[in-house]
Amino acid sequence: QSVLTQPPSVSGAPGQRVTISCTGSSSNIGAGYDVHWYQQVPGTAPKLLIYGDTNRPSGVPDRFSGSKSGTSASLAITGLQAEDEADYYCQSYDSSLSGFAVFGGGTQVTVL
Amino acid sequence: QVQLQESGPGLVKPSQTLSLTCSVSGGSIARGGYYWSWIRQYPGKGLEWIGYIYYSGSTYYNPSLQSRITISIDTSKNQFSLKLSSVTAADTAVYYCAREVATTTGGYLDYWGQGTLVTVSS
Repeated sequence: QSVLTQPPSVSGAPGQRVTISCTGSSSNIGAGYDVHWYQQVPGTAPKLLIYGDTNRPSGVPDRFSGSKSGTSASLAITGLQAEDEADYYCQSYDSSLSGFAVFGGGTQVTVL
Repeated sequence: QVQLQESGPGLVKPSQTLSLTCSVSGGSIARGGYYWSWIRQYPGKGLEWIGYIYYSGSTYYNPSLQSRITISIDTSKNQFSLKLSSVTAADTAVYYCAREVATTTGGYLDYWGQGTLVTVSS
């Protein structure tokens, strides 16, 4: 049972826009902690995709964008490409039990 | 480019201690502003943060694992290590080491090792 809730899967056709939600609570996202997103291709380590709610590391295409409002955050992928097929995880911090990093359960993106 | 590499046994017997080391290259582990972290991923894909250590030796552990974890650092070797005691089958996972960028609003993991599968079985 993950502290942050994500849909198990989303899918879209090439070129479409998909969004992945990450729902938390007043002790994590709602407390003002940043949300970060990672992309994981099966068999490899997670890769940082978005940090500080909306920022892209160097080399990450601008078709990936992040947003946050209240106790939730979202990752949007516009112009979906076959190479975007992967698992996506959100991460934040939680102030309960002295505070530590928490992850969402992950969302599998399928390109139809 | 910072690189991290985990090493250690891939098979540990129940009740024994899991020991892993993370070797860091491309940057000094003794540089401030970063936490050196351990994360694990269960076979069902969920990620769990285990804990981290600062170059000064300060540690912070996941409260649910705190009684069984020790994370240490060796700045002379540019390495940090994880020990998890009294393991059970529930500790079977891929273990990752990673660098966390420390921020006041919740850090993020910008470099990860490739991960190492640790199986707990007799």
